[in-house]
Amino acid sequence: GAVVSQHPSWVICKSGTSVKIECRSLDFQATTMFWYRQFPKQSLMLMATSNEGSKATYEQGVEKDKFLINHASLTLSTLTVTSAHPEDSSFYICSEAGDYNEQFFGPGTRLTVL
Amino acid sequence: LAKTTQPISMDSYEGQEVNITCSHNNIATNDYITWYQQFPSQGPRFIIQGYKTKVTNEVASLFIPADRKSSTLSLPRVSLSDTAVYYCLVGEYFGNEKLTFGTGTRLTIIP
Repeated sequence: GAVVSQHPSWVICKSGTSVKIECRSLDFQATTMFWYRQFPKQSLMLMATSNEGSKATYEQGVEKDKFLINHASLTLSTLTVTSAHPEDSSFYICSEAGDYNEQFFGPGTRLTVL
Repeated sequence: LAKTTQPISMDSYEGQEVNITCSHNNIATNDYITWYQQFPSQGPRFIIQGYKTKVTNEVASLFIPADRKSSTLSLPRVSLSDTAVYYCLVGEYFGNEKLTFGTGTRLTIIP
């Protein structure tokens, strides 16, 4: 299957700062990538669908001005958490869609906002 | 998207076969069934996918009855490393459709 990487694997930041998380498709050209958030002991929650060369589609309740998504190339999508606060602390995971509706997930990024 | 229902948790001993059943009563004609495995602090990993009857790969088997309203993931001879959360999802056979994760089943393997 496809290989997806994320950077950084973990990040700690102060409240009010912005954090950028990169998601790279290493062996596949992904026109569509997905961003999820997962709180401890909970399931994955889809935040947005990232489309190469166009605006992302956000799920209901996800603030698009707070979670900025850029998908400028077929191998890179970025998620920027702007003005992060402690409640944004979570595990952020990206994925890309395979040919048969399976998705290939990145290893995740642990964000801790102090 | 069809909603899925799974047991919240299961325990099993090493070496046993484990079967995890998922209910998806309102599955649509074009929907496929996909199972993922997730270890703590890692992204989910694709395990197996099927449409009907039985699918087997090197990791697991997937049994789907004729009415497709449920499916069973079968893990043969589990080991401690199979301790994880297992998610059942249903969706159309298109690569770009968004997926909705349910609660998943937390499987704990006991030595």
